[in-house]
Amino acid sequence: QVQLQESGPGLVKPSQTLTLTCTVSGGSVSSGSYCWTWIRQPAGKGLEWIGLICNSGTTNYNPSLKSRLTISLDTSNNQFSLSLSSVTAADTATYYCAREYDFWTDYYYMDVWGKGTTVTVSS
Amino acid sequence: AIRLTQSPSSLSASVGDRVAITCRASPGISSALAWYQQKPGKAPSLLIYDASSLESGVPSRFSGSASGTDFTLTISSLQPEDFATYYCQQSNSYPLTFGGGTKVEIK
Repeated sequence: QVQLQESGPGLVKPSQTLTLTCTVSGGSVSSGSYCWTWIRQPAGKGLEWIGLICNSGTTNYNPSLKSRLTISLDTSNNQFSLSLSSVTAADTATYYCAREYDFWTDYYYMDVWGKGTTVTVSS
Repeated sequence: AIRLTQSPSSLSASVGDRVAITCRASPGISSALAWYQQKPGKAPSLLIYDASSLESGVPSRFSGSASGTDFTLTISSLQPEDFATYYCQQSNSYPLTFGGGTKVEIK
């Protein structure tokens, strides 16, 4: 059973870079037709897709974050990471990592989620 | 970006009720729609993918359907554990987008 676990700082100062890591257990980030995605949710609000990386190395980012965002894959540690630069209070949210699988269809869906990690941007 | 409009934003229902939540996509997205359930303090979990396919382990009282650009999640007989917030999400094109959510509360 694949499990995902987010890790990173709970508090980041404005203008700094936020780096989060998602560790995958029970499966490999480099095998199968999967992509690995990040989603965030401000307290009491809806879900926002941040971006993803597939195990082919292909990335796709939300245009609203693209200029500040890098998502990378670390196959040696079975992890993938998010780096978001120049953070502001608007980046305060719970951040989730998830696996995307195609279920033998033409599209990918988020079938396994981490529990989430809360990040606060404040001085 | 593709816009997903969910309705209603909230509803009150009783155990045993039949509940329907709608998600309208603009522009169209073929069948590339998923439904997720989120309970307070928890991560979302996948219920339905490809508009109408039931994820493994999800109770059969959950079903999804599509008609053009309108998608519906139906719970045939609401159970106590179903009180949660439900989100639709499109996978047709990037950026991936979510609907605004529907909170299902106890009447």
